[in-house]
Parts: sequence; C-alpha cells; structure tokens
Amino acid sequence: DAKTTQPTSMDCAEGRAANLPCNHSTISGNEYVYWYRQIHSQGPQYIIHGLKNNETNEMASLIITEDRKSSTLILPHATLRDTAVYYCIVRSAGAQKLVFGQGTRLTINP
Amino acid sequence: EAGVAQSPRYKIIEKRQSVAFWCNPISGHATLYWYQQILGQGPKLLIQFQNNGVVDDSQLPKDRFSAERLKGVDSTLKIQPAKLEDSAVYLCASSLVDGFNQPQHFGDGTRLSIL
Repeated sequence: DAKTTQPTSMDCAEGRAANLPCNHSTISGNEYVYWYRQIHSQGPQYIIHGLKNNETNEMASLIITEDRKSSTLILPHATLRDTAVYYCIVRSAGAQKLVFGQGTRLTINP
Repeated sequence: EAGVAQSPRYKIIEKRQSVAFWCNPISGHATLYWYQQILGQGPKLLIQFQNNGVVDDSQLPKDRFSAERLKGVDSTLKIQPAKLEDSAVYLCASSLVDGFNQPQHFGDGTRLSIL
C-alpha cells in the first residue's frame, strides 16, 4: 500500500476554510485517494475520494495535483463540529482494505 | 438509510474471559469488515467478508479471535481468551460491492476494556 504523510495537527478558525494537506508521492496510477474523518467516540466517517480530477460533494472538496503526488482536502466553511482526526488514505488497486495512518488532528477554534 | 449497527457500545471484562461483538451492516452491503483501533492509533483491519466468505483474515490473531457471518448479513467477532492488549475499539464497516472504488461505512464501534 502506498504511504501517506500528513501533519500531526492543525488549527483553523470557525467560519474559515480548512485546508488539510496530504503527501502520497509513491501513489500508483490506478490508486484512489480517500479521506475519512473520525470525531471523538465515533467511527470513521467517509468524506470524499478521487483518482485524478478534483472532486466536490456536500461535505468537502478534494484537490489532487496533476502529478498525483499530493492532495488537499478543503472544508469550505469550518464549524466546531468539524473538529476531528482526518485520515488521508491511498487505496491499493485490487485491495479493498483501508490502511489508516495517524491522520491530522484538526481543531476548529471559535 | 440506516447505518452500520454495532452492539454492545461498551464492554468491560477481566483477562482470560471471553467476549463477543455483533454487527449489522447497511442493508444490501455485501462486504463486511472488522477493524481494531487501539487508543491513539488508526484502525487496523482484522478480517473482511464477502457475503459469508472470508476474503482476508491475515491480521486476525486466530489463536484467540474468531469471526463469522452467517447468511451473509450480520456478523459476530469473538475473543477467547482475552488479553490485556486486546483493549481497543472494535469497528465494523460495510461497503456496497466488492471493489476498491466503493467507500466503506463504519459503525461507532464497541469499546472493550480488559481488567
């Protein structure tokens, strides 16, 4: 499985955009980038995933660089409820399991 | 759409006792996963089922852990006998079909404490 590198922690002000970076320099051409988050005492929650193109849904936007070696998850208007650990995961072709790293602990401040 | 249901929410047992966890996946989801999450770490896959067959159990400590998915729907995960190092949150997840482009959806887990 390709490995990812994320900052250990980040802070963001409520109402501002939260931009969470992820490096995946060894990603292969058919591997997807997935983002999950885990709020305290809850299970991981699926946010978004993508292959090459930028993706947007009701929760977030995913920006993948042209060389696919890094990506950024954007929460456009962060709220206190977005405080969580955010996991960037590269999912190997043919493998269904998710390999979680340490993630980024995002704290939204009032 | 109802999410993944797990029970119990919390369980406290003494070492060497046995314990079982139950999972009901999202309706229609053929693939079911059990993950173990130790405090401060990300979840780690224990076992994956496709319908009622095991796809991957390479990380399951088979001397003490067992899991089954009868009739391809509900699943149980059992630990016998429990060790102190088994203290963790046990998460169940399911996905629609077998494939790496389908997101997994997680339950809120069972928090197991071993005394």
